[in-house]
Amino acid sequence: DAGVIQSPRHEVTEMGQEVTLRCKPISGHNSLFWYRQTMMRGLELLIYFNNNVPIDDSGMPEDRFSAKMPNASFSTLKIQPSEPRDSAVYFCASTLGRLRAVQYFGPGTRLTVT
Amino acid sequence: DAKTTQPNSMESNEEEPVHLPCNHSTISGTDYIHWYRQLPSQGPEYVIHGLTSNVNNRMASLAIAEDRKSSTLILHRATLRDAAVYYCIRHQGGSEKLVFGKGTKLTVNP
Repeated sequence: DAGVIQSPRHEVTEMGQEVTLRCKPISGHNSLFWYRQTMMRGLELLIYFNNNVPIDDSGMPEDRFSAKMPNASFSTLKIQPSEPRDSAVYFCASTLGRLRAVQYFGPGTRLTVT
Repeated sequence: DAKTTQPNSMESNEEEPVHLPCNHSTISGTDYIHWYRQLPSQGPEYVIHGLTSNVNNRMASLAIAEDRKSSTLILHRATLRDAAVYYCIRHQGGSEKLVFGKGTKLTVNP
């Protein structure tokens, strides 16, 4: 079985550019999470969806960040415009739902904003 | 707020048991204890979880204190591939959110 798939694995962009990160959850999972990891702040939850609906976006740092889940097999995290402080590894994770909270993480996207 | 306390780092020798401690003195009755680990350059992966009783699986054992204020993750025979950051997480039953702290960086010496 394929695990959580993220693309691209690496992204280098210039400040001010739009960045779109993509995630395909494990088939059959109905919750999806976006995390950001930096040395300074560790692993932070940005937003999560249940059945394609955003449930908690309190971790989204500011309006430059947006996330969508148009269907059960695809989600995007967009940063517009990007800034150097957005440089981090972004992880997507999925899970079967509330009663089985084991989260399965993707390999991450390493974003560098210059 | 992760509300767990772990040592920043620990060392072990290969093929020896490793006991990774975690304090969660303010845990509530419905909070589960979850352990994840993150190998270098990878996403976190689930290790084990429990509520009150000790738990075993193919990866590790979880020993939970009787008062539930602390727990210990036990790797029975450490290998070099077990070198990772181990996160102890209080997870509210019924909530989907996991709050990761800084974890314990485990170094395994050959």
